[in-house]
Amino acid sequence: DQQVKQNSPSLSVQEGRISILNCDYTNSMFDYFLWYKKYPAEGPTFLISISSIKDKNEDGRFTVFLNKSAKHLSLHIVPSQPGDSAVYFCAASSNDYKLSFGAGTTVTVRA
Amino acid sequence: SQTIHQWPATLVQPVGSPLSLECTVEGTSNPNLYWYRQAAGRGLQLLFYSVGIGQISSEVPQNLSASRPQDRQFILSSKKLLLSDSGFYLCAWSGTGGDQPQHFGDGTRLSIL
Repeated sequence: DQQVKQNSPSLSVQEGRISILNCDYTNSMFDYFLWYKKYPAEGPTFLISISSIKDKNEDGRFTVFLNKSAKHLSLHIVPSQPGDSAVYFCAASSNDYKLSFGAGTTVTVRA
Repeated sequence: SQTIHQWPATLVQPVGSPLSLECTVEGTSNPNLYWYRQAAGRGLQLLFYSVGIGQISSEVPQNLSASRPQDRQFILSSKKLLLSDSGFYLCAWSGTGGDQPQHFGDGTRLSIL
């Protein structure tokens, strides 16, 4: 059962514009949410996280928004850069050390 | 700073052969340790996690096992590999307590022939 879903397998955006990645979850017990970035043949790199007591967390060009009532979170990247081209994974946990991952969204930043 | 090492980077094994993948963490004590597998086009699936030496929790029934012989060493093993064991295996660590992100190694690409 897929508890974390990324319904867009791919996203193409022009350099300098905003990238918006979406993620939905079904488990209401999830209280910690993370975004990871992954290049081919490498492990995922932690980008940014948010706990359920917040609705927004910002770190440089990356901002994560959480809408608990809709069980939805999103990652905004502004401005998008060529080095942002990668697969982005959404993940969630319910305070038991285990992360549930979405299937990933491949972002391509066009020059 | 903390680092995680995972090897080998790639491995080609025949069906029925044994497997041993090793992962070590530096720069931290008593980390939580994890093994994941990523199938093609899929997200990461948690296979095992450990909160201490000798403590292993299995998430899915499978042909694999895990061991933690030392605080910062995590090993993924199999006695007899199956074709379905092919995939990309990732080791990760996290701190303990509260909301802690997991940090991943660079993975092992395992191909079973």
